[in-house]
Amino acid sequence: GNSVTQMEGPVTLSEEAFLTINCTYTATGYPSLFWYVQYPGEGLQLLLKATKADDKGSNKGFEATYRKETTSFHLEKGSVQVSDSAVYFCALATGGGNKLTFGTGTQLKVEL
Amino acid sequence: DSGVTQTPKHLITATGQRVTLRCSPRSGDLSVYWYQQSLDQGLQFLIQYYNGEERAKGNILERFSAQQFPDLHSELNLSSLELGDSALYFCASSVAGQGQETQYFGPGTRLLVL
Repeated sequence: GNSVTQMEGPVTLSEEAFLTINCTYTATGYPSLFWYVQYPGEGLQLLLKATKADDKGSNKGFEATYRKETTSFHLEKGSVQVSDSAVYFCALATGGGNKLTFGTGTQLKVEL
Repeated sequence: DSGVTQTPKHLITATGQRVTLRCSPRSGDLSVYWYQQSLDQGLQFLIQYYNGEERAKGNILERFSAQQFPDLHSELNLSSLELGDSALYFCASSVAGQGQETQYFGPGTRLLVL
């Protein structure tokens, strides 16, 4: 079956630090890959997505590249802000049904 | 604001009771999904509907059921509630329920079973 593995959190960084959150997946077929973000007390928001190998998704300074050879979709940002503090979920969807399989989430805390 | 609405925002009830959670998808979206977020299980897919028909089923308990109505809103019914059903329940919607589509999530309903 499909599965997503994310690095354990929490990740604590100083403002303007470089961020990497690792995500690897196992899937049948050719999945679409997503990063969702959940701010405290809110629902999930799509951060970025990639639908085929070597695609790069990007949004708000975050980016992730779909790497089929390493089955990875690591999230990166060059300079984090306090407002980026949230929980980040890596997810995939396959086939016609489109149900999302999520990783466990990685909590990011950014301090001044 | 994703355009997906969920009611109620919070629900407190007792074991053995039954509750109904409601979701209205984004305008134009035909597919609705339900997910459960709990501390021990994480985010899990429950069920998907497309234009009134059940399309996919995940880890949904037999005590839970859902439906999508002709106006495309959806309801998730949880019965014989147990303490372990306490969780955040999200509804999401997408245009046609296909693999590459973005799902837009509602703010969730937080259920507490006492």
